[in-house]
Amino acid sequence: DSGVTQTPKHLITATGQRVTLRCSPRSGDLSVYWYQQSLDQGLQFLIQYYNGEERAKGNILERFSAQQFPDLHSELNLSSLELGDSALYFCASSVGSEREQYFGPGTRLTVT
Amino acid sequence: AQKVTQAQTEISVVEKEDVTLDCVYETRDTTYYLFWYKQPPSGELVFLIRRNSFDEQNEISGRYSWNFQKSTSSFNFTITASQVVDSAVYFCALSELGAGNTPLVFGKGTRLSVIA
Repeated sequence: DSGVTQTPKHLITATGQRVTLRCSPRSGDLSVYWYQQSLDQGLQFLIQYYNGEERAKGNILERFSAQQFPDLHSELNLSSLELGDSALYFCASSVGSEREQYFGPGTRLTVT
Repeated sequence: AQKVTQAQTEISVVEKEDVTLDCVYETRDTTYYLFWYKQPPSGELVFLIRRNSFDEQNEISGRYSWNFQKSTSSFNFTITASQVVDSAVYFCALSELGAGNTPLVFGKGTRLSVIA
């Protein structure tokens, strides 16, 4: 158990809908990262937050947004969902950007 | 731009064999970190090791060992006396520090199957 929690574990929704994925980092970790894992794209970095502030952005679509709250938990919002958004979404946390990241169990999103 | 290449897509070995997973990276930075993660069939990503670019010492942890060679930009991972529980997808990853701690860039992964 990495200490990072993610909810829900599975999510099935229809195209055009909006969903929110939630992540709670390990105790004491200030950095939160979101990654998308799909068969064709592999593991891709989406966005990073550090202590509430956006720190880095990767291949995140404009339809996707995220935030980190004062209690350090983070949410990833995915809107206008398309079939191609079906993937495993991981949250990770670390003490600082240069340290190892610990990953949550992931949320498997299926868009039908 | 940084890049990680894991040329071996799939490897299959018989239990108790040794196996080496290759990782080659590209970076323009002189300061960076390399990582290995394991993704078992259950799906979670498990951190195995972190190595910084200034430390070329090889590392051994039980049946696992890592060989870091800056001259060939490689960070290979060897499992000695493999076991069925080692069956997983293994990812090598890179993080640069020069321009402000970039997030992880992962290779495509190597799927290891250990057959009893």
